[in-house]
Amino acid sequence: EVQLIQSGAEVTKPGASVKISCKDSGYTFIDYYIYWVQQAPGKGLEWVGLVDPEDGATIYAERFQGRVTITADTSTDTAYLELNSLRSEDTAVYYCARGRIAGYFDYWGQGTLVTVSS
Amino acid sequence: EIVMTQSPASLSVSPGERATLSCRASQSVSSKLAWYQQKPGQAPRLLIYGASTRATGVPARFSGSGSGTEFTLTISSLQSEDFAVYYCQQYNNWPPKTFGQGTKLEI
Repeated sequence: EVQLIQSGAEVTKPGASVKISCKDSGYTFIDYYIYWVQQAPGKGLEWVGLVDPEDGATIYAERFQGRVTITADTSTDTAYLELNSLRSEDTAVYYCARGRIAGYFDYWGQGTLVTVSS
Repeated sequence: EIVMTQSPASLSVSPGERATLSCRASQSVSSKLAWYQQKPGQAPRLLIYGASTRATGVPARFSGSGSGTEFTLTISSLQSEDFAVYYCQQYNNWPPKTFGQGTKLEI
């Protein structure tokens, strides 16, 4: 059974950084890309970026470029999303999802709520 | 960046009735269009990919159609568990793989 299990909720302050994880199981980790998607409270879905676990290559949405780092650890089949210089607008649920490079997202993590508040 | 526009923003339908949701792309995305269902407090769930192919385990009452810039998700006979928010997503021209703003399907 394919599962993407994300780390728990985070509360952090403006200007800080946070790193959330997505532990994958039930499939060969390097065969799929891992994507991250942001959902602000009461809002829609926004694509953040992706990582190719096989070689660590990343692509980021322009809006997040420079403040986000996505990585993958093939020894633990875990992907990470690090958000830097946090501001209140970054308060959101962040989802990881599995997909092919040119495809849709077929399995999703349960989501991690990141709250940025002073 | 391709902009995906969904209509209507919300739709009120009775159980047993048919629901038709629309998604329009600002330029052609061929058939590289997916639909997702999201219930409150849950992650999105893949329903349709390739504009018309149901994902594994998705009931036959869900169907997708369209190509190019105009797409439709039809739910033939609404069940209580179908009331949720539905998002379309294009994956033809990226980054980014843009989503529509969602259609809320209400009883």
